[in-house]
Amino acid sequence: GDSVTQMEGPVTLSEEAFLTINCTYTATGYPSLFWYVQYPGEGLQLLLKATKADDKGSNKGFEATYRKETTSFHLEKGSVQVSDSAVYFCALSNNNDMRFGAGTRLTVKP
Amino acid sequence: NAGVTQTPKFQVLKTGQSMTLQCAQDMNHNSMYWYRQDPGMGLRLIYYSASEGTTDKGEVPNGYNVSRLNKREFSLRLESAAPSQTSVYFCASSPTGFYGYTFGSGTRLTVV
Repeated sequence: GDSVTQMEGPVTLSEEAFLTINCTYTATGYPSLFWYVQYPGEGLQLLLKATKADDKGSNKGFEATYRKETTSFHLEKGSVQVSDSAVYFCALSNNNDMRFGAGTRLTVKP
Repeated sequence: NAGVTQTPKFQVLKTGQSMTLQCAQDMNHNSMYWYRQDPGMGLRLIYYSASEGTTDKGEVPNGYNVSRLNKREFSLRLESAAPSQTSVYFCASSPTGFYGYTFGSGTRLTVV
């Protein structure tokens, strides 16, 4: 079945460092791809999405490109802030069936 | 603000007790979902409702029942709580999966 694999955490970075969180997927057809963010004590929030190959989703300085040839959707940010500390989930949706990765915890230190 | 509202936020149950977790959305979404989140296991789908009047099992339905009361409300019931059901429960809604989900803030349930 469809699945998502994302890099294990935790990831610890200094403020203003470059962030990459890897995500690869296995799916039939043409799924939509998503990144969600979860801050402590809260539910998941949709961060960005891409619905077809070569689409780039972006929001709040984060971006990810739908790469069908490598079945990847890596999350990047050029300069992280302490406020970006959270858990990040990669997900795919195929025929109204959303599958989530296990999550990657990011901690940004001042 | 528009969104998904879950009640209660916290609950402690004794083994064998029953309870219902409530979820309501005001975005006119067709689909609603119940997930549980456990450390190291990500989110696992318990039940979902693709549209009003329909419900289907997800990955981990045992020990749970659901009711799609109307388009806005989707409740999750634990008939006889077990310690293995200690978890954080999230409700979500979506017009369709294509658009991504809107999540509630969660219910932290402890079964002792």
